[in-house]
Amino acid sequence: GAGVSQSPSNKVTEKGKDVELRCDPISGHTALYWYRQRLGQGLEFLIYFQGNSAPDKSGLPSDRFSAERTGESVSTLTIQRTQQEDSAVYLCASSIRVGEKLFFGSGTQLSVL
Amino acid sequence: AQSVTQLGSHVSVSEGALVLLRCNYSSSVPPYLFWYVQYPNQGLQLLLKYTSAATLVKGINGFEAEFKKSETSFHLTKPSAHMSDAAEYFCAVSFAGGTSYGKLTFGQGTILTVHP
Repeated sequence: GAGVSQSPSNKVTEKGKDVELRCDPISGHTALYWYRQRLGQGLEFLIYFQGNSAPDKSGLPSDRFSAERTGESVSTLTIQRTQQEDSAVYLCASSIRVGEKLFFGSGTQLSVL
Repeated sequence: AQSVTQLGSHVSVSEGALVLLRCNYSSSVPPYLFWYVQYPNQGLQLLLKYTSAATLVKGINGFEAEFKKSETSFHLTKPSAHMSDAAEYFCAVSFAGGTSYGKLTFGQGTILTVHP
């Protein structure tokens, strides 16, 4: 596609359930990033991928969070046993290579009730 | 650890007035610095970036930023504000080399309001 695509755009879930968020980067972009933006706050780094490997996953808040990328394309961010504090907009971005301009998706608004 | 501080969560200017959005960073090594903008109902997009070439960087839509090492600052300016500049602006920093090269650390954001 022409841009970074994220799905779903909105997700409402109950506390304790698992959720999967998907990101389709721009074709040919080797680097992929996940950020979280809580209401009224800045962007919080979660993890980035160079190809299919994650050199820096220092931003993942807890072991309930995991992410993978396959085929140097699609990435999935999984949150297990969701908590209310996980409610946020989860943003994905890609760049042609690490250090280059990021192109952001529209985000997934996650609401944990 | 790298960090970015944006001074002022909200800035309000009149149309035609100077825009100044402040950003200071903390780093022990030379940084790469960026300004991103988020217009209402749109995704984040890059305004400009500094990567150790010229200290004065020009971006899109008439914006520019100057890297001042002595002040650890990268303030964003535009000589004359336009109504269409109303948006949220984010300063960000990363560092060359190492596994954290791809980690872009963002500031808290500054909402710019432009009034007639």
